[in-house]
This record gives sequence, structure tokens and C-alpha cells, in this order.
Amino acid sequence: QKEVEQDPGPLSVPEGAIVSLNCTYSNSAFQYFMWYRQYSRKGPELLMYTYSSGNKEDGRFTAQVDKSSKYISLFIRDSQPSDSATYLCAMSGSVGQFYFGTGTSLTVIP
Amino acid sequence: SAVISQKPSRDICQRGTSLTIQCQVDSQVTMMFWYRQQPGQSLTLIATANQGSEATYESGFVIDKFPISRPNLTFSTLTVSNMSPEDSSIYLCSVGPGHEQFFGPGTRLTVL
Repeated sequence: QKEVEQDPGPLSVPEGAIVSLNCTYSNSAFQYFMWYRQYSRKGPELLMYTYSSGNKEDGRFTAQVDKSSKYISLFIRDSQPSDSATYLCAMSGSVGQFYFGTGTSLTVIP
Repeated sequence: SAVISQKPSRDICQRGTSLTIQCQVDSQVTMMFWYRQQPGQSLTLIATANQGSEATYESGFVIDKFPISRPNLTFSTLTVSNMSPEDSSIYLCSVGPGHEQFFGPGTRLTVL
């Protein structure tokens, strides 16, 4: 079983839609949860960083962590064509290695 | 956040040759990381490079194949040695304070 599972998509939505991106994981020791955005031919860019369970909001982006279900989500409100990218979840324990999902490809259609 | 640059941005290489990828950071950092990103797969950590000590390699990666240098706190190189088509991938360096990692733009390598 992979440490982190992420639906690769692709996901295509109309402009203005609410987007939900999700990851599940198997290691209960994970405490740090990140979402990265990666545009084509660019390196991943850190979007959101959350410690332990709960919600975190930053503008149109909301990250949710449910440790009891080992499930994390990223919501994008009022999606824009500029949000079209691949979104990667990542997580780690108290020390050491990051574990990344395979990424979900998102296209927002004008 | 740190600003990270990589050279080259892309290259096409012949089987059996080696390529050295450079990573430059705009601030001093203790730890630098090298990742590989293959199509449809998650980012895979190759090694962690600390200044002044040997790099620490993850399972499946060895120093003879991926030698790393870390001569100072702002620079590192990764060499992909004796390349085969299976080494075709994007190679990324990253740095991080704690659990927030920042990535360079990547080096897109194609091996023929």
C-alpha cells in the first residue's frame, strides 16, 4: 500500500466552480500536511501548510485535515483559469522524509 | 521563502554519459534535497545533502550513480552517472525550514 494516495484526475471544471482535491494516507504518524501547486515545466510551489487536524484558509484556498479518517482536502473557491495546474499533496511525520501524492491535474475552463 | 535556481533547465543526453545538475539558493541553508519526478509518479527523494558531510541516500539510490556535492551553504550539485533511458525524468532540488520545502524549477533530462 502506498503511503499517500491521490486521484490523478484529470479534473476539468468551469470558471467559478468550487474545486475539491483529496488525498488519503496510511501512516498515522504524519502530522504535517502540505499542498503544492505545479505549473507545467515549473517546480512545485508551496500553497498551504497545516499542522495536525483542522482547517486553514488562505484567500480562495482552504485546506482540511481529518486525521481520524487519514484524509486531507484542498478546496478552491471561485476557481480561475490561472488555477489550472497539477496539485500535489505532501505529508511528513515529526522528523524526516516527505511523502508526496502523484498529483491531480486541474483545468479550469473560461 | 528561498529563491532557487537550477542549471541546466533541460538536456538531452546519450546513453552511458553523465550530467551534472547545479542548484543555487539565494540564502544560506543547512539542508538541501534532491528529488526525481517521473511522469505519473510521485516525487521521490534521492538524497539529502548537508554542507560538510556525506549526502544521505534513500533506499534505491546509490552514491556511485548519483554523486552529490555540497561545497557551501548555498550550492549543491547532483550528477546522474552512466545514464540510461530509465533516468529520463525531472530532477528537482529543494530547501526547507522544517516542514515547508521550497523547490527549484527542475531539470528536465531525456536520455536517448
